[in-house]
Amino acid sequence: AQKITQTQPGMFVQEKEAVTLDCTYDTSDPSYGLFWYKQPSSGEMIFLIYQGSYDQQNATEGRYSLNFQKARKSANLVISASQLGDSAMYFCAMRLNTGNQFYFGTGTSLTVIP
Amino acid sequence: NAGVTQTPKFQVLKTGQSMTLQCAQDMNHEYMSWYRQDPGMGLRLIHYSVGAGITDQGEVPNGYNVSRSTTEDFPLRLLSAAPSQTSVYFCASSYDWPADEAFFGQGTRLTVV
Repeated sequence: AQKITQTQPGMFVQEKEAVTLDCTYDTSDPSYGLFWYKQPSSGEMIFLIYQGSYDQQNATEGRYSLNFQKARKSANLVISASQLGDSAMYFCAMRLNTGNQFYFGTGTSLTVIP
Repeated sequence: NAGVTQTPKFQVLKTGQSMTLQCAQDMNHEYMSWYRQDPGMGLRLIHYSVGAGITDQGEVPNGYNVSRSTTEDFPLRLLSAAPSQTSVYFCASSYDWPADEAFFGQGTRLTVV
């Protein structure tokens, strides 16, 4: 069963604008972590941000924030003030307390337009 | 600091050949894993390990073997390469706790002809 769903295969955003990348997840485990990774065209996987299932506040890291809506099982990534260097593939991932495996979504390709 | 070192970066194999993708980490992580990345399919888990001597299958284990004799190393063996194994392979490691992110190697682009 698909545990992580990213429904936006591709997104475009104007430079300096904000963009939201969607991610929904599916688990009955009460303890889990949610992650976002960036994969630029060079291919490496770069960790961006983490949200724990028990965290009360939405996570923020610089221009990245995670809009965590537990009841809706969504963990959307918000990138503020987009830059050309933000053009990349973005993956949402979940890690469960049981088994500790990571489950990845299919990714969203973001293109920042000058 | 090296982090996760994955070799080789590129490889071309003929159908039926075998090979080993190497992965080493120097962060004393318990958890190590191998993924394959195919267009439109994200990263799919092949095998993982929660410590030396312990390995388990992921979502797509067929055609691959792993072993974990030390904490640092987690090689992935392709037994008899097939064109369907053409992919980008990533090794990753982390502490064995849901709050800890995975650290990835640089990836191996494998082509089976």
